[in-house]
Amino acid sequence: GAGVSQSPRYKVAKRGQDVALRCDPISGHVSLFWYQQALGQGPEFLTYFQNEAQLDKSGLPSDRFFAERPEGSVSTLKIQRTQQEDSAVYLCASSLEYRGETQYFGPGTRLLVL
Amino acid sequence: LAKTTQPISMDSYEGQEVNITCSHNNIATNDYITWYQQFPSQGPRFIIQGYKTKVTNEVASLFIPADRKSSTLSLPRVSLSDTAVYYCLVGAKNNYGQNFVFGPGTRLSVLP
Repeated sequence: GAGVSQSPRYKVAKRGQDVALRCDPISGHVSLFWYQQALGQGPEFLTYFQNEAQLDKSGLPSDRFFAERPEGSVSTLKIQRTQQEDSAVYLCASSLEYRGETQYFGPGTRLLVL
Repeated sequence: LAKTTQPISMDSYEGQEVNITCSHNNIATNDYITWYQQFPSQGPRFIIQGYKTKVTNEVASLFIPADRKSSTLSLPRVSLSDTAVYYCLVGAKNNYGQNFVFGPGTRLSVLP
């Protein structure tokens, strides 16, 4: 079956622009996670949804970062007024389990802020 | 938050068994331990998961001692295609609920 898909795969933004990154999880998966991965580093947790409820957003680095999953399926990560330090790969993962013990990752969106 | 530590890198030769250990001293009672593999420009891929003792699947084994403060991923007879970064993941609770902490990753290089 189809895996987790993310779009766009690559995004170049000028500093100060707003960007929106989309995640299409595996159908039926209740949990959805966003991670940020800097070059050469491990993924860092950003936020976590169970269905449409955002249960944990403690990893969002600033109030410029906002995530939503209004219908419990597709999720969007929005970054307002992008800064150069936002340049990274943004990974989305979904899980059938409520606790997300087994996560299936998408290919990521590589964001470059100039 | 639970933190994990792993060796930064390891080298091996084709056909050898590779063991990568992850330390997770603050693991919570209900947390599982999961290992992921990541190739360049791809998202991490699930390898194996366990709670205690030993788990084995078609690609790897996972050894977890009784105190669960560490775990060891064992890859039998590695090949060149196993060259990747391997991450240890444990679920960790904080004041908001549940989030998940990746280890720093171990970069495995398999040499011919």
